[in-house]
Amino acid sequence: AQSVAQPEDQVNVAEGNPLTVKCTYSVSGNPYLFWYVQYPNRGLQFLLKYITGDNLVKGSYGFEAEFNKSQTSFHLKKPSALVSDSALYFCAVIDGNTDKLIFGTGTRLQVFP
Amino acid sequence: NAGVMQNPRHLVRRRGQEARLRCSPMKGHSHVYWYRQLPEEGLKFMVYLQKENIIDESGMPKERFSAEFPKEGPSILRIQQVVRGDSAAYFCASSTTGTLNTEAFFGQGTRLTVV
Repeated sequence: AQSVAQPEDQVNVAEGNPLTVKCTYSVSGNPYLFWYVQYPNRGLQFLLKYITGDNLVKGSYGFEAEFNKSQTSFHLKKPSALVSDSALYFCAVIDGNTDKLIFGTGTRLQVFP
Repeated sequence: NAGVMQNPRHLVRRRGQEARLRCSPMKGHSHVYWYRQLPEEGLKFMVYLQKENIIDESGMPKERFSAEFPKEGPSILRIQQVVRGDSAAYFCASSTTGTLNTEAFFGQGTRLTVV
């Protein structure tokens, strides 16, 4: 079965510092990976996805993610964090058999001024 | 395009009552997904529907929960005889085709509180 794991419940980072939110995946076949962000009392917003192609995927709000097949990882990164980036981040994978998004448990990112 | 609209935003029900959650997908979207987010947990897939068809309901509890997406009108997630454990945020997402080929857009969710 397809699954993703987000090993960190919370990540704290100072504004201006680089940030990384970790995600590892387990799939049979080709992985189709996504990152979504949820701001307080809001729905989820799409950030970026990896289907095929370059391992470094660029997305919204300056975020990017690196697909690493050997480590089965798809970590979300940003070179310089903003306080407004504070939110809940979800990694997701598509179950290719059923075409449904399977989400991780989420990582709360807190950026301190 | 108003985006995915869910209503109500907040719903309070007493134990044993019925809860009806509505989701109007984005214009032109014929694929709808429902997810449940329990406190301190991630999003759990519940059901995937296309117009008038349930494609995958493997995440739906076998009893009390049902979903539909009629030819006309919004998708409805119905929970009968609610219990305290049903308290959660319920999110709907829609897409033009399956999520493999296109991004899914999420609504703001309905927060159900069972008292």
